[in-house]
Amino acid sequence: SQQGEEDPQALSIQEGENATMNCSYKTSINNLQWYRQNSGRGLVHLILIRSNEREKHSGRLRVTLDTSKKSSSLLITASRAADTASYFCATDAIDGGATNKLIFGTGTLLAVQP
Amino acid sequence: DGGITQSPKYLFRKEGQNVTLSCEQNLNHDAMYWYRQDPGQGLRLIYYSQIVNDFQKGDIAEGYSVSREKKESFPLTVTSAQKNPTAFYLCASSERRPSGNTIYFGEGSWLTVV
Repeated sequence: SQQGEEDPQALSIQEGENATMNCSYKTSINNLQWYRQNSGRGLVHLILIRSNEREKHSGRLRVTLDTSKKSSSLLITASRAADTASYFCATDAIDGGATNKLIFGTGTLLAVQP
Repeated sequence: DGGITQSPKYLFRKEGQNVTLSCEQNLNHDAMYWYRQDPGQGLRLIYYSQIVNDFQKGDIAEGYSVSREKKESFPLTVTSAQKNPTAFYLCASSERRPSGNTIYFGEGSWLTVV
């Protein structure tokens, strides 16, 4: 089944730096979402970008979507130690009109050093 | 407070036993989902339900069963047929079609086979 692949698998940066993580997917989508997961916890929704959008901002988050390349990026600016978590992209695939489930990628583990 | 409650947080299962993980939501969502997450991995969909008394298999349904007798509840049974059940299990809910909608997650349940 379709699955997003995040890149890199792990990223370590210093507080105050920007963090960029990428997601690639395989088939056409309705929208793409990014989620965050603290260790051992549930996932929390961060931002959604629709297939007809190219860029979206929310606070320190910036998401881009390139449907021609089937890829998305999540940029976290001015990172903080509290941003340390795993980040997942999730796609809602176009599936003969019967779309009703998200497919999650493998995640990027971000460590922000104080 | 509105949200999704999973219980228990930690569960140990002996070989050959069935165990049931509870998931309750008070968000008035029609759709509910069960995901499995292995260490350092992404989420894989086990089962999902769009309405009461209806559910569909996800990508890894073998060895699992669910029921949806009430809108608020979507319990997952891990049967003895599931050969490698040790994992982190996440329940989630959303408006009926996730396209454009956020999925809300519970805090997860850790299942360990002893």
